[in-house]
Amino acid sequence: TQLLEQSPQFLSIQEGENLTVYCNSSSVFSSLQWYRQEPGEGPVLLVTVVTGGEVKKLKRLTFQFGDARKDSSLHITAAQPGDTGLYLCAGAPRNTGKLIFGQGTTLQVKP
Amino acid sequence: DSGVTQTPKHLITATGQRVTLRCSPRSGDLSVYWYQQSLDQGLQFLIQYYNGEERAKGNILERFSAQQFPDLHSELNLSSLELGDSALYFCASRTGDGGNTEAFFGQGTRLTVV
Repeated sequence: TQLLEQSPQFLSIQEGENLTVYCNSSSVFSSLQWYRQEPGEGPVLLVTVVTGGEVKKLKRLTFQFGDARKDSSLHITAAQPGDTGLYLCAGAPRNTGKLIFGQGTTLQVKP
Repeated sequence: DSGVTQTPKHLITATGQRVTLRCSPRSGDLSVYWYQQSLDQGLQFLIQYYNGEERAKGNILERFSAQQFPDLHSELNLSSLELGDSALYFCASRTGDGGNTEAFFGQGTRLTVV
């Protein structure tokens, strides 16, 4: 059972388009994180959302944490080829030390 | 550079063999996490250590084991290797035990079992 479900799993779009990636769970998380991974590298943290309903912006990326703290979304405006990569959400289920990841969304932005 | 060092970067071995993957966490980080990533897959959590003690376990096979040493480096031992164990193995370190701090990842060890 995947505790964190990401959708879509694959996304191929043209430069300039907008997109949204979703991360859903039936469990409550004290916080959720989004990481980006490039081929041959380890994931790198983009953002951590902590408060239910929180919205954080990182240039053209907007992250939202659901009010019930069970889901999060990543919205990219005017995608660029440099946004290509694997986007992963991650969180620690309450009262555990685990840091678990969703299965990831592979994004390809074509020029 | 994340500050997390994993060795070796690549490993090719035969079925049935045993290998050891090594991870040196960022200076000051007490938690080490191990993950397995197969082709086009997300990161599967294997195990977490905090300051030398096992803290949390994921879907780690009985053929796999890990430990964290007093100097905080960690080793992941994989034995009786099977073709399906071929994957990227990542370790990550964090300052504390849980919480919402950033996890810093090494560059991974690519294991190929032939």
